Amino acid sequence: DTEVTQTPKHLVMGMTNKKSLKCEQHMGHRAMYWYKQKAKKPPELMFVYSYEKLSINESVPSRFSPECPNSSLLNLHLHALQPEDSALYLCASSQDSLAAEQETQYFGPGTRLLVL
Amino acid sequence: AQTVTQSQPEMSVQEAETVTLSCTYDTSESDYYLFWYKQPPSRQMILVIRQEAYKQQNATENRFSVNFQKAAKSFSLKISDSQLGDAAMYFCAYTAPMDSNYQLIWGAGTKLIIKP
Repeated sequence: DTEVTQTPKHLVMGMTNKKSLKCEQHMGHRAMYWYKQKAKKPPELMFVYSYEKLSINESVPSRFSPECPNSSLLNLHLHALQPEDSALYLCASSQDSLAAEQETQYFGPGTRLLVL
Repeated sequence: AQTVTQSQPEMSVQEAETVTLSCTYDTSESDYYLFWYKQPPSRQMILVIRQEAYKQQNATENRFSVNFQKAAKSFSLKISDSQLGDAAMYFCAYTAPMDSNYQLIWGAGTKLIIKP
């Protein structure tokens, strides 16, 4: 089973709102990722968690706050976003077993975020 | 720096015909992995096929196959018997343990249109 789930599918929020995006995987993967994707562009990496610890933060503004409560869950907390933050937010996971063959990333369906 | 280039912003093919999407990459590493991902209008990023650089045999997955030319740093995707459901953005991606620490380096994408 290579399923990564994300909720909600769509989110509309004002610039003063606080909301959270959720991602879940039950593949036993130990690495989880957040990406931001603008229309017709490839995904841009935001954060990487490895074994529940933040290992990569690609200079993302502090209005995005990731959280990894356990090895299956990944959250992205949103606060005081700007209209330019409107995008598709993708979650992915991979084995992270230090065996290179396991490093395929599997993606969730994404959350379409609109900031008004 | 590693780069992945997809020179065809858009391709179209008649249903049931064969189409080839091109991808070139630049790396000095010998150990790396290449992927083709498909992103239909439903937005989910779906793994199509993966190729390990150390394998000489081209990867195949049903109607999808690659032409991996390591010396030329070329990794094209051939789709045989094209179906309407193949219509999507196709992204080529590269990762390497030493080069990118398993982060995916993405091409710009090719939009594939299937003509009925």
